[in-house]
Formats: sequence, structure tokens, C-alpha cells
Amino acid sequence: GENVEQHPSTLSVQEGDSAVIKCTYSDSASNYFPWYKQELGKGPQLIIDIRSNVGEKKDQRIAVTLNKTAKHFSLHITETQPEDSAVYFCAASSGSARQLTFGSGTQLTVLP
Amino acid sequence: ETGVTQSPTHLIKTRGQQVTLRCSSQSGHNTVSWYQQALGQGPQFIFQYYREEENGRGNFPPRFSGLQFPNYSSELNVNALELDDSALYLCASSLEAGGNYGYTFGSGTRLTVV
Repeated sequence: GENVEQHPSTLSVQEGDSAVIKCTYSDSASNYFPWYKQELGKGPQLIIDIRSNVGEKKDQRIAVTLNKTAKHFSLHITETQPEDSAVYFCAASSGSARQLTFGSGTQLTVLP
Repeated sequence: ETGVTQSPTHLIKTRGQQVTLRCSSQSGHNTVSWYQQALGQGPQFIFQYYREEENGRGNFPPRFSGLQFPNYSSELNVNALELDDSALYLCASSLEAGGNYGYTFGSGTRLTVV
């Protein structure tokens, strides 16, 4: 089955700096890669996603890049703000149900 | 448009008991998936329901079972609860099975087994 690895597990940045989180996946049949933000006591919230026919996607301060050959994808957050502090998960969709396999999460802390 | 709602929000059960968790999918979504999220980990896929049938299953034992109703809402049942079943149980709905339409997650049910 699919295996998704995520790094780093914790990340601290100064407000206004950029943050980058990286993931790798194992199943070449995976074709959909969402990123979720999870705040304490809440469910994961989709912040951006990318499909395998696209190499990059941007939405305001958030961007995702996908390298299908290397099987890795990354989340880039620019001009970070304290409210960006949360746990971020990458995921890959594969299998008969197109279920999501999640990475282990990155605790992002934006220091004011 | 309402999102995914789950009930109850918190639950405490004793080892060996049975539990039922409930989920109402987002309006217009006909596919429901359940995930288990242990503390400090990413969610793990339990199973998915589409057209009231199980459409895929992760690496969970048969004591984890589910239902989907004609209105697309769903239940997760866990029998013979074990301490390791303590986790946040997340329901996610999507527009259609088999495609990549994205998943909307509920806020989850926090289950504690003592």
C-alpha cells in the first residue's frame, strides 16, 4: 500500500518568514495530493490540493509543488502569520476507494 | 451548505463495551469515509461507504464495522473495545467515490476507552 513520509515534524519560523514542509510517497498510482491544516480540537481542514497532471498550484500565500518523477511534493507558506500555527498534514490518494494516506504531520509554530 | 457533522463530540467507554459513532455528510456528498487518528499521528483510513455498501477498507479488524443510510449519513461501530481504540474518529465526505473530488472532514469524536 501507499506510504507517505513527512518532514520536518516540527518547524518554528519568525512571523513574516516562509515555511516549507516536504512529503514523499511510494505508490506511483497516487494522483491526488491534498494538504490539511488541523487546529487543536478540530478536524483537518483542506488548505490546498494538487492533481498529478499539474506541477504547481498557488493560492495567495500558499503554494504546493509536485514532482511525480521523484515522488515528492511540498507545501510553501509565505509571509507567515501567528494564525498559521497549527499541525499540517500531507496526504496521497490511492487504492480502490481513492482513500487518503496521511503523513505524520508537522507542528508549525509562527513566532510573533 | 452544511459541512460534515459528527456526534457525539466526546465519549468515554469501558474496555469490552461497544460504541456507535454517527456522521452526517456534507450536502450533496454521497460518499463517507472514516479515519482513526491516534494522538500525535496522522489519520488512518478505516473504511469507505458508497451507495450503502463498503467500498474499501484499511487495515482494521472486523470488530470495526459501519453502515451508510439512504440519506448518505453513516455510522461507525466498534465492538469489544480495547484501550488502543482510544483516538479521535474522523468522518470525511466526498462528492463521489472513485474520483479525486476532495474530502471534507468533520470535527471528530474523541473516544476514550478506560
